[in-house]
Amino acid sequence: DAKTTQPNSMESNEEEPVHLPCNHSTISGTDYIHWYRQLPSQGPEYVIHGLTSNVNNRMASLAIAEDRKSSTLILHRATLRDAAVYYCILRVTTSGTYKYIFGTGTRLKVLA
Amino acid sequence: DGGITQSPKYLFRKEGQNVTLSCEQNLNHDAMYWYRQDPGQGLRLIYYSQIVNDFQKGDIAEGYSVSREKKESFPLTVTSAQKNPTAFYLCASSITAVSNQPQHFGDGTRLSIL
Repeated sequence: DAKTTQPNSMESNEEEPVHLPCNHSTISGTDYIHWYRQLPSQGPEYVIHGLTSNVNNRMASLAIAEDRKSSTLILHRATLRDAAVYYCILRVTTSGTYKYIFGTGTRLKVLA
Repeated sequence: DGGITQSPKYLFRKEGQNVTLSCEQNLNHDAMYWYRQDPGQGLRLIYYSQIVNDFQKGDIAEGYSVSREKKESFPLTVTSAQKNPTAFYLCASSITAVSNQPQHFGDGTRLSIL
C-alpha cells in the first residue's frame, strides 16, 4: 500500500526558510501529494498539493522529485505561527473515489 | 462564514453506551468524511459519503455507523461494539469525492470513556 515517511520533528529559526522532506517510494502514477498542517486540538489545514510539477502558493512551495518518490515542502520564511505538525499525504484512488493516506507527520518547532 | 461545525467539542461515554457526534457543513460540498486520530498518529478514515443517502466504509469502520439524510449533515455514532473509542474525531468535506480539491476539516470532537 502507498505510504509516506517523514522525520518525527524539525526545528527552524524564525524568518529562516524551512525544508520539510517526505519519502513516498511506493507512489503510483495517479497519486497526488498533499500537505496539511495541524495545530493542537484543531483540524488539519490544507497547505498545498501537486502531481508532478513544482507548485507555489501564498503559503508554501512544493518541490517534487523527478521520479516522484520524494517531495519537499518549503516554507520560505518561518514564523512562530508556522509551528505545527505537517502531514505529507498521498491522495490515492480506491474503488473510483479518492482517499487520503496519512503518515505520522513532522512536528515543526520555530525558535524566536 | 462557510465551514464545518463539529459538536460537542468534548464528549464522555459510559461503558456500553452509544454516542453520536455531530458534523454540519455549509460549504455545499457533496462529499463528507469521518476520521479518527489517536495520540501522536495520523488520521485514519472511518466512513465517507459521496452524496446524500450514500456512504461507504473506510479503513476502520467496525464499531461505528453513519447516516447521510441531508447534504449538510453527516453524524457519526460510536457504538458499544467499538471497544477502544477514546480518540479525537475529525469530520471533513470536499466538493466531490472525485475531484482534486482539498478537504476542509472541522475542529474535532474529543471522546473519552468514563
